[in-house]
Amino acid sequence: DIQLTQSPSFLSASVGDRVTVTCRASQDISSYLAWYQQKPGKAPKVLIYAAFTLQSGVPSRFSGSGSGTEFTLTISSLQPEDFATYYCQQLKSYPLTFGPGTKVDIK
Amino acid sequence: EVQLVESGGGLVQPGGSLRLSCAASGFTFSDHYMDWVRQAPGKGLEWVGRSRNKANSYTTEYAASVKDRFTISRDDSKNSLYLQMSSLKTEDTAVYYCAKSIRIFGVGGYYMDVWGKGTTVTVSS
Repeated sequence: DIQLTQSPSFLSASVGDRVTVTCRASQDISSYLAWYQQKPGKAPKVLIYAAFTLQSGVPSRFSGSGSGTEFTLTISSLQPEDFATYYCQQLKSYPLTFGPGTKVDIK
Repeated sequence: EVQLVESGGGLVQPGGSLRLSCAASGFTFSDHYMDWVRQAPGKGLEWVGRSRNKANSYTTEYAASVKDRFTISRDDSKNSLYLQMSSLKTEDTAVYYCAKSIRIFGVGGYYMDVWGKGTTVTVSS
């Protein structure tokens, strides 16, 4: 199985900050990676797929990069509605796996 | 509007069974792969399994933690996805989400672009 790790696990930031979350895969997954945002009590929402493609309707302050085993999700200017938990997911092989999540909290 | 609505959750004793349903609307259900994802209280997301579409013979994939206990099926005539859960364990307690998956154009791989709000399953004596 492909294992995903995320760092940091928890991040405290202020509105307007640039925020970066890293996801590392235990083996090469090319660009088969998606990023999801989840707010408390809500279903996840896709932000990025194929490592860097922005899902329709997602603000352009979100961006993704990377390939192979290391990926990043960047929020260029953190907004109040961005405080949430972020998960990466590999789409390369079964079983599909998610990273453990990164919680972005208000400083 | 594309919508997924899960139902069928509830309280069940260990060793029991439960069937979850997911009603889809607003898109051509038969064309799409569909997934179940769960989230235990206070924990992260865990993929449960996938149903491929008719063009791919409705084949299924499962996480090791549920294989041989859970079965995914679908009825395209009713635009519905199902998760039959048996031999339930306390560790199956979670919110269960149904998700529509879409192929990444030109690359392959399927990501989950629409999610339901989830239904809660509690396994406890």
